[in-house]
Amino acid sequence: RKEVEQDPGPFNVPEGATVAFNCTYSNSASQSFFWYRQDCRKEPKLLMSVYSSGNEDGRFTAQLNRASQYISLLIRDSKLSDSATYLCVVNGGGGSYIPTFGRGTSLIVHP
Amino acid sequence: GAVVSQHPSWVICKSGTSVKIECRSLDFQATTMFWYRQFPKQSLMLMATSNEGSKATYEQGVEKDKFLINHASLTLSTLTVTSAHPEDSSFYICSAQPGTFTDTQYFGPGTRLTVL
Repeated sequence: RKEVEQDPGPFNVPEGATVAFNCTYSNSASQSFFWYRQDCRKEPKLLMSVYSSGNEDGRFTAQLNRASQYISLLIRDSKLSDSATYLCVVNGGGGSYIPTFGRGTSLIVHP
Repeated sequence: GAVVSQHPSWVICKSGTSVKIECRSLDFQATTMFWYRQFPKQSLMLMATSNEGSKATYEQGVEKDKFLINHASLTLSTLTVTSAHPEDSSFYICSAQPGTFTDTQYFGPGTRLTVL
């Protein structure tokens, strides 16, 4: 089983739609979780950190479920500019800050 | 905000040559820097963890003699791809963590390497 798994997609949605991505992780000792956004041929940029039960930033909401070992990202009112690959990142836990990246979920928002 | 630069942003070289990529944290000190490689439509693959003043820790399957990492100061880490081959062509990205007990990463813009 891979350490961090994501549905690669692509998710193809119209503008204004709500879309949700899930990410599962295998290391139950993991302490911190992040969502990054990566545009084509660019570096990842931090979208949200998820430290406790989840957090919200505008149209973006991240949730953490430790019991089931998954985190989710919800995007409401999708914009064309939201089209990108969304990477789930989990830090190792047990005192380790080594990050593990998921493969990424591709989102395409169309008019 | 924290800024990380990489140089060069792209490089084309002949097979058999060595290429050095620099990663700099511009406005903070980075105790730890990470080097990643990303092939098209693939996720980032961690190559090594670089700590200032000590030897880098390489991930399984990454040849330490081929990918030389030097973290000589708190603001600079370098990755040298030695005797590059076409299969080394990839997008190389570094990231930096400010401090030891923080897990926020700031990424450099990446270096696109093409080996002919």
